[in-house]
This record gives sequence, structure tokens and C-alpha cells, in this order.
Amino acid sequence: DTGVSQDPRHKITKRGQNVTFRCDPISEHNRLYWYRQTLGQGPEFLTYFQNEAQLEKSRLLSDRFSAERPKGSFSTLEIQRTEQGDSAMYLCASRPRVADYGYTFGSGTRLTVV
Amino acid sequence: KNEVEQSPQNLTAQEGEFITINCSYSVGISALHWLQQHPGGGIVSLFMLSSGKKKHGRLIATINIQEKHSSLHITASHPRDSAVYICAVRAYSNYQLIWGAGTKLIIKP
Repeated sequence: DTGVSQDPRHKITKRGQNVTFRCDPISEHNRLYWYRQTLGQGPEFLTYFQNEAQLEKSRLLSDRFSAERPKGSFSTLEIQRTEQGDSAMYLCASRPRVADYGYTFGSGTRLTVV
Repeated sequence: KNEVEQSPQNLTAQEGEFITINCSYSVGISALHWLQQHPGGGIVSLFMLSSGKKKHGRLIATINIQEKHSSLHITASHPRDSAVYICAVRAYSNYQLIWGAGTKLIIKP
């Protein structure tokens, strides 16, 4: 499979627990994005990596959310002290260096906080 | 007012009909994307446009930079085209995609 892989597909956690998601982009894609999508809404930008550098992040990531891409390949998104409002689909996308190509999205990780 | 507006919000049509979905935006952009999202979350990138027109199979996307408007057309629509179609723009000012609310398309056999 040469697409964007996300793990796990589904995660159910109790409020207050920490969760970590993983994204494996297409290997030759140096740009990686995390988005969050709640039911009926468009995706909400969380953060962007170019290689290992986190170049942009939304204000949402300044508190309980953190993301890493330590070797410029896979990325992890951690949510600490989860809240019920964190329940959403977390989407990862990647793009190659060449500007003329669009995004490839993973299937997402669906988080349910109970 | 949202920076990216799509119309219509919902569209139901019969198989075989010609479909048009519109997207207007208010910011300066470096590119506009059309994406397709199926139930369950999977998002597929259909087109990336910065000018003119692109065609892929039965799908055609056009953009008018001066008017800040884009359209996605589906010819000879089929029930498998049923999905949410999303317009998203990449602004000059940052790396983010600004998403439209999506158009839910249902094609009836």
C-alpha cells in the first residue's frame, strides 16, 4: 500500500486519558498535515510539517495537543487529558515537494471520548 | 461570511444528469482544490487548479481567478458519484487549506 496510513482507525478512550495517533505519509512526500473533522463540518487545520520542521500550527495545538515528525517521515499527534469535545475524525494528509500535486489523505482515526 | 462558499449545499439528481457544483472564495489564493469525501471519512483529492480547466474522466474543474470562482462538473452522473464534494483553497498567507462546507451529492438510479 503506497497511500497515507493512519493508525489506529478507531480509538475509544475515557475522558482524561492521553491518546496518540500515528500517520505514515507517502514516502517521497515531504509535507505532512493534520486536520480534525467533526460531524457535518469541514476539516479544521491543526498543524503542518515540512520534513521534520513544524512550520505552522493552529492555536488549538498550544495546549493539550502536540505533534511531532522526528525524522521527517511518520508523524504522531498526541492529545493529553482528553475531553468529550475532542471526539472527531483526525485526518492526516501529505504532499510532495513538487508544487503541482495535490494532497493525499489517509482514512483517518476516529476518536470517541466517553 | 465564510472565506470559501459552496453551492448548493445539497443536490439530488437522476443518473445521467449533468452536475455543477460552484465555489466562490474571497482571499488571494495560490491554488484551489476539489476533493471528494465518502461516508466514513475517506477524502480523495480530485483536482488542484491555479488557472484554467482540468478534466479527468467524467469530471471537469474550471477556475476563474479574476472572479474568484470555480466550478466542478460531472458529466453522465452515476450513483457511485454520490459523495460530499469539497472546495478548498490554499491562501497566499499561510500553509493551510481553507475549506468550504461541502456539497452533498446524491445520484439516484
